[in-house]
Amino acid sequence: ETGVTQSPTHLIKTRGQQVTLRCSSQSGHNTVSWYQQALGQGPQFIFQYYREEENGRGNFPPRFSGLQFPNYSSELNVNALELDDSALYLCASSPTPRPTYYEQYFGPGTRLTVT
Amino acid sequence: QQQVKQSPQSLIVQKGGISIINCAYENTAFDYFPWYQQFPGKGPALLIAIRPDVSEKKEGRFTISFNKSAKQFSLHIMDSQPGDSATYFCAVRKPDSNYQLIWGAGTKLIIKP
Repeated sequence: ETGVTQSPTHLIKTRGQQVTLRCSSQSGHNTVSWYQQALGQGPQFIFQYYREEENGRGNFPPRFSGLQFPNYSSELNVNALELDDSALYLCASSPTPRPTYYEQYFGPGTRLTVT
Repeated sequence: QQQVKQSPQSLIVQKGGISIINCAYENTAFDYFPWYQQFPGKGPALLIAIRPDVSEKKEGRFTISFNKSAKQFSLHIMDSQPGDSATYFCAVRKPDSNYQLIWGAGTKLIIKP
């Protein structure tokens, strides 16, 4: 068991609303990365947080934002939801910002549906 | 643009057979080529990975074959088992992009008993 947990499991929101997704890192990991996985696609990197600061960002608009807390848990916030935001949101924790990929563990994801 | 092309989209293999999934990439700067396995309701998990200075890597029943000149790499699953039924993703890493991965679209593999 990897120890990375995410909540909630599923979520349904209406277009224009805001949503907060949560991730609890594996013990001892100080870095969290967030990914968006649309149906039938591979994950796309949203951003990474290291020691409570954003440490790299993919091609996502500013309405996607995040936070990392002193205990290294993390939140992903999405404002002004659009239908295309419907996806599985994955977080992955690692012990460093540049892990070997054997050291990065994914959570089970939060399935967001925007109607 | 699609930097990693994965094929096939889906694959059905008889138990005991060989499953082969292919990926093609465009950018010769990519420096790391992992394969991930994802079961329904779970996040992806690293299966096996290779660097471009090696042509083949084997771990148990799983083998990556890498063809640098053709810019292609493939995953071979020998003696495929029903428990291997999952979605498989290839990915590539750009060393100048904070080690972000670019993922293929995935292959849904079904192993028939």
